[in-house]
Amino acid sequence: DAGVIQSPRHEVTEMGQEVTLRCKPISGHNSLFWYRQTMMRGLELLIYFNNNVPIDDSGMPEDRFSAKMPNASFSTLKIQPSEPRDSAVYFCASRSQGERYTIYFGEGSWLTVV
Amino acid sequence: AQRVTQPEKLLSVFKGAPVELKCNYSYSGSPELFWYVQYSRQRLQLLLRHISRESIKGFTADLNKGETSFHLKKPFAQEEDSAMYYCARGSARQLTFGSGTQLTVLP
Repeated sequence: DAGVIQSPRHEVTEMGQEVTLRCKPISGHNSLFWYRQTMMRGLELLIYFNNNVPIDDSGMPEDRFSAKMPNASFSTLKIQPSEPRDSAVYFCASRSQGERYTIYFGEGSWLTVV
Repeated sequence: AQRVTQPEKLLSVFKGAPVELKCNYSYSGSPELFWYVQYSRQRLQLLLRHISRESIKGFTADLNKGETSFHLKKPFAQEEDSAMYYCARGSARQLTFGSGTQLTVLP
C-alpha cells in the first residue's frame, strides 16, 4: 500500500486565492483526519471524518476553511479566501476500523500564502 | 479538554549522551499514550505506544500515572535520532498531540 497520499506537496499562492488540498486515505481505512502543523501551535486537529461523515470540526479555524469527503477514498480541505496566516503544513491521516487510536499520516502539503 | 504538554520546544544533546523528552498529560481515567516521530520533511510515524511496552530504535517510554507523565528516553542518543517528537493522547477516538520537541543530536 502506498500509504496516505496527499497533493499538492507544495503550493505557493497569493492572498485571496482559493486553495484546495487533496487526500487519498489508505484503502480500507474508515476514519480520516486533517491536521495543521505550525511552529507556533504545533499539530492541531482541524476535522475528522468517520465513514465519510464529519464527526468533529471544532478545530476548523473559521468559515474560510471547509472540508469534504465525498467517498471513502477521497477528501478535500479548501481555504477560500486564503490569508498569509494560513501558511502551514497540512497533514491528512487515516485509521482503520480495527484501530482505536493509531493513525497513519500522509507526507503533508506545504502551503505558503504570500 | 484533554491536554498534552511538552515543555521543551528544542532539545540538544551530544551523541552518546542520554536523552529524555518530557511529556505530561491532563489526568482522566486510563489514558492511552503515544509517541510519534517526524524526521526532516517526512511524514509523522508512530514510534511507540504505552500499551505495547516496547522499545523501538532504543527508545522507551513509561507511563507514570502518579506524575501523569509519559517521558521518552534513550540511554545513548545517535545523530539519526535528530527529529521532531510528538507526544499524543487518545481520547474519544481522537489523538490530541503536544506541541512537539525538536531533538538535535550533536556529533
